[in-house]
Amino acid sequence: GENVEQHPSTLSVQEGDSAVIKCTYSDSASNYFPWYKQELGKGPQLIIDIRSNVGEKKDQRIAVTLNKTAKHFSLHITETQPEDSAVYFCAASRGSGNTPLVFGKGTRLSVIA
Amino acid sequence: KAGVTQTPRYLIKTRGQQVTLSCSPISGHRSVSWYQQTPGQGLQFLFEYFSETQRNKGNFPGRFSGRQFSNSRSEMNVSTLELGDSALYLCASSLVLITDTQYFGPGTRLTVL
Repeated sequence: GENVEQHPSTLSVQEGDSAVIKCTYSDSASNYFPWYKQELGKGPQLIIDIRSNVGEKKDQRIAVTLNKTAKHFSLHITETQPEDSAVYFCAASRGSGNTPLVFGKGTRLSVIA
Repeated sequence: KAGVTQTPRYLIKTRGQQVTLSCSPISGHRSVSWYQQTPGQGLQFLFEYFSETQRNKGNFPGRFSGRQFSNSRSEMNVSTLELGDSALYLCASSLVLITDTQYFGPGTRLTVL
């Protein structure tokens, strides 16, 4: 089955700097890759997702890139702000087959003011 | 539109007992998924229900079960609780497919003593 590895497990950046979180997956048939943000005491919230027919997607300060050949995808947050501090999870699935998401172990991002 | 709601938010049980958790999906959403979140294992998929039928199942023992009602509300039950069942149990709803955007509830924090 699918296996998703996420790095790093913790990340500290200065306010205004960029943050990058990387994930690799094992199932070459996976074609749906969402990213979730989880704040303390809350459930995960979808922040951006990408499907395998595109290589990059951007939404304001957040972007995701996908390299299907290498089977990895990354989350990029620019101009980080203290409210970006949270745990971020990547996930992968075969979107067309209605198969469950497999999540990475998460990255705890701390933005230092 | 109201989000996914889960009750109760916190629960303390002792080993050997059983527990039932409840989830009300976003209005109009028919797919409900359950996840177990622990610091060591991250987010692990338990099962998914659609139209009152279990459509997907994760790799958990038979002590974990669930059901869905005609109004799409779902419950999960854990019997013969073990210490290792202590976790945050998250419910997520989506329109139809498990790979449609999943919206998570705040979770139920279960502590087994």
